[in-house]
Amino acid sequence: NAGVTQTPKFQVLKTGQSMTLQCAQDMNHEYMSWYRQDPGMGLRLIHYSVGAGITDQGEVPNGYNVSRSTTEDFPLRLLSAAPSQTSVYFCASRDSGTVYNEQFFGPGTRLTVL
Amino acid sequence: RKEVEQDPGPFNVPEGATVAFNCTYSNSASQSFFWYRQDCRKEPKLLMSVYSSGNEDGRFTAQLNRASQYISLLIRDSKLSDSATYLCVVGGSARQLTFGSGTQLTVLP
Repeated sequence: NAGVTQTPKFQVLKTGQSMTLQCAQDMNHEYMSWYRQDPGMGLRLIHYSVGAGITDQGEVPNGYNVSRSTTEDFPLRLLSAAPSQTSVYFCASRDSGTVYNEQFFGPGTRLTVL
Repeated sequence: RKEVEQDPGPFNVPEGATVAFNCTYSNSASQSFFWYRQDCRKEPKLLMSVYSSGNEDGRFTAQLNRASQYISLLIRDSKLSDSATYLCVVGGSARQLTFGSGTQLTVLP
């Protein structure tokens, strides 16, 4: 199993550009989520999904969209990039919606917005 | 007040030392508790779950005190390979995990 994969690993955008961060998992996990990690602030939840066709907002959803058309894929779209979105983005998945299961993370995407 | 608070460190300890990390959480309805480890520029990975009775995995011991809303991680006989950031993670009733900002550990030769 590849686990959770993310592309790209690095990205530089100009203010106002849009892009999609890709995330896929091959563990047949129902629950997937996106986090951003900034220095001194820990991981903050952006959006999450409890299954195909179902998404919801997390703690910091503004400026981001998600969709979940399949169990495997959960892309994150930046609509109009801003310097405040410079961060490391992690996609994660776990076996079900319960908080008792281990959460697996992708390797991250390091995004810089100029 | 942050939902999950940790001492950011850094903790610099010699090989073989015992080091303890603490974490407090604000939501008394929290249901699950974990320690994750994050190496520099890598993704977080589960180190261990934390149970009410306390649990041990080799050199690592985790404790939970629900009354005080406090979680701890003890590392005995520190190795160079233990150098990492340790994240305290709490699961709530809304099925979400809340992450502390992490405690940085460097084990020195």
